[in-house]
Parts: sequence; C-alpha cells; structure tokens
Amino acid sequence: AQSVTQLDSQVPVFEEAPVELRCNYSSSVSVYLFWYVQYPNQGLQLLLKYLSGSTLVKGINGFEAEFNKSQTSFHLRKPSVHISDTAEYFCAVSDRGGFQKLVFGTGTRLLVSP
Amino acid sequence: DTEVTQTPKHLVMGMTNKKSLKCEQHMGHRAMYWYKQKAKKPPELMFVYSYEKLSINESVPSRFSPECPNSSLLNLHLHALQPEDSALYLCASSRATGMNTEAFFGQGTRLTVV
Repeated sequence: AQSVTQLDSQVPVFEEAPVELRCNYSSSVSVYLFWYVQYPNQGLQLLLKYLSGSTLVKGINGFEAEFNKSQTSFHLRKPSVHISDTAEYFCAVSDRGGFQKLVFGTGTRLLVSP
Repeated sequence: DTEVTQTPKHLVMGMTNKKSLKCEQHMGHRAMYWYKQKAKKPPELMFVYSYEKLSINESVPSRFSPECPNSSLLNLHLHALQPEDSALYLCASSRATGMNTEAFFGQGTRLTVV
C-alpha cells in the first residue's frame, strides 16, 4: 500500500517570494509521482509528473519538483509566486503501469499575499 | 482535446431521489474513474473502469451505482443518498496500459443532499 504525507496544511507567502511545498511518500514498489493544483470550486489540474529519468521535473506555470528516492520525497518549488498561485496543491502517487489508482496527500493550501 | 466533461456542475437532491452524474471524454482513454472529495479533504477513489469493465470498487455503498456504457462515457447513478454524501464528485480518465499514463480530471459535480 502507498501513502503520501504533506506536512504543511497551509503555506503563507508574499508575492514574488520563492516557495517550497513538501511531499513525502511511502511505497513498497516503484511509483509514479504527481503534483495537482485545485482552484476553488474546480477540478484537478496536473502541474507535473515524475515517471522515470531525470529527477528534476519541470511543469506548468513555472513550477518544478525534484524526486529524491533516498529521502522518498517529491517537493514542489517555484522561484517567484504570483497572487494567482493561491490554491490547494495535492501530491499524489500511483503504481507503475496500467491504469492509475491515485493516492493523494492531504493537500497544502498556498496563500499568496501582496 | 484533453477535456473530461462532467454534467451537471451542481446538483441538489433529496434523500429519496434518484439522479445520475455523467462524465464524457474523447481522448481514447480506456480507463475511467470516479473520485469523491469532501470539503477540505483530498479526493478518494471510488471506482475504476478499465475497458468498460469495473476493475476496482473501493467498498463504496450500494446507493452509488457506476455504469460505463461505452468507452467514452461514465455514469454514476445515485439513489437514497444521505446528507453525508454531499461532496464534489470528480471523474477522471487515463490510458489503461503502458507507461506514461496521466489522469485527466473533469471539473466535478458539486452534490448537495438535503
């Protein structure tokens, strides 16, 4: 069984500051890792994914994440945030291959203020 | 077209009503999913269909009845729901086999049971 831990329920940050949202996972098998963003009253939008290869993954909207197998982490970063980045961010894990049975972390609310 | 379309966007139903949620995709995906998301919680998997056959039922109560009439459509039939079933219901689709799978989510149906 897999699990995902997002220790920070809320991260306040000022506009144009850098931000890191933390994600740790637990699994007995190799996994795929994802970050999704959810704006209020919306569905989920994929920010980026790690399937294999380079451990530094670049996604949409200037976000990137680094897969660290030894620390079982997949932290999300952005060098300079905007007000429009205010949203809920979910880290998720799934088995490799076949259809995706996503297991989500509890989410981190990113609050960007001027 | 990378869109998953869910209808209706909002639904209010009584505990004795019967209603259906609909989901449609035209990406050729052969895996489709229903997730339930309570307020301020992560999405939780309910059902997975692979090649139009039910592959996973995460011990969901029988008052929720999924149906996959063809490879593009996924329905969720609702009957005798309880107020605690009020939530955002998210549909997703993905490839069913191979690597590099990615789940695409719809905007969700906001369900209120009164």
